[in-house]
Amino acid sequence: GESVGLHLPTLSVQEGDNSIINCAYSNSASDYFIWYKQESGKGPQFIIDIRSNMDKRQGQRVTVLLNKTVKHLSLQIAATQPGDSAVYFCAENIRGFQKLVFGTGTRLLVSP
Amino acid sequence: GAVVSQHPSRVICKSGTSVKIECRSLDFQATTMFWYRQFPKKSLMLMATSNEGSKATYEQGVEKDKFLINHASLTLSTLTVTSAHPEDSSFYICSAREPGYSNQPQHFGDGTRLSIL
Repeated sequence: GESVGLHLPTLSVQEGDNSIINCAYSNSASDYFIWYKQESGKGPQFIIDIRSNMDKRQGQRVTVLLNKTVKHLSLQIAATQPGDSAVYFCAENIRGFQKLVFGTGTRLLVSP
Repeated sequence: GAVVSQHPSRVICKSGTSVKIECRSLDFQATTMFWYRQFPKKSLMLMATSNEGSKATYEQGVEKDKFLINHASLTLSTLTVTSAHPEDSSFYICSAREPGYSNQPQHFGDGTRLSIL
C-alpha cells in the first residue's frame, strides 16, 4: 500500500507486483520530463524521459505516462524486483530554461 | 553512456576549513554543469549552474562568496565551500548534460557527503 512518511511518501509492494509512482508537476510551460532513481548514498540515475509532445513512452520494464491536462506524470515499473527499491524523483524542464526542477520524491520498498 | 565522476565521495573536516569538490564529465564535453544540495530524505535543490568560461549562475538564496564555482574546462567544474561551518554539512551532487539538443537528461555524479565538525 501507499503511505505518507514524515518526509517522503512511501510505496510498499511485493516482488513481482507492478508499481506505479505518481508525480504532479507545477508549470504548464514544462516541455521535458525525466524520472530518476536514487539509491542510498548515491547520485540520481536516469531511468526514462518524455517530451511534452508525447503522452507515453516505454523502456525496459518501465513506462512513463504524461497527462498535460492535469499536469500529472507517472512511472510504471513492471514485475518489480528488490533491486528496484530506491527513491524515485520526477524532474521537469521549463521551456526556455536549462535547469531541472525536482519533485519531492517517492520511496519504493520492494519485499521479497 | 554519459558518465559523471565526483570527487571526493566523503569529506570530514573542522569548522573553518575550505573544501573543494570536483565534478568531471568522463566521456563527453559539458559546457554546462549543475550543483545541487540534498538534505536527508529531501529532494535535490539546485544551488548554481556552472558555465564553462564564464561566471556561474546562482539560485536565489545561495551565497556566491560561500560556494565558489569554477568551470575552467569542458570536462571539469569545481565547487569550493569556503570557511565551512556545521550548517554546511550536507550531500552535494553535481550533474552535467551532453551537448546538443536542449531536451537531454542531466547525468549525475555519486555525490559528496560533507561533514563539518
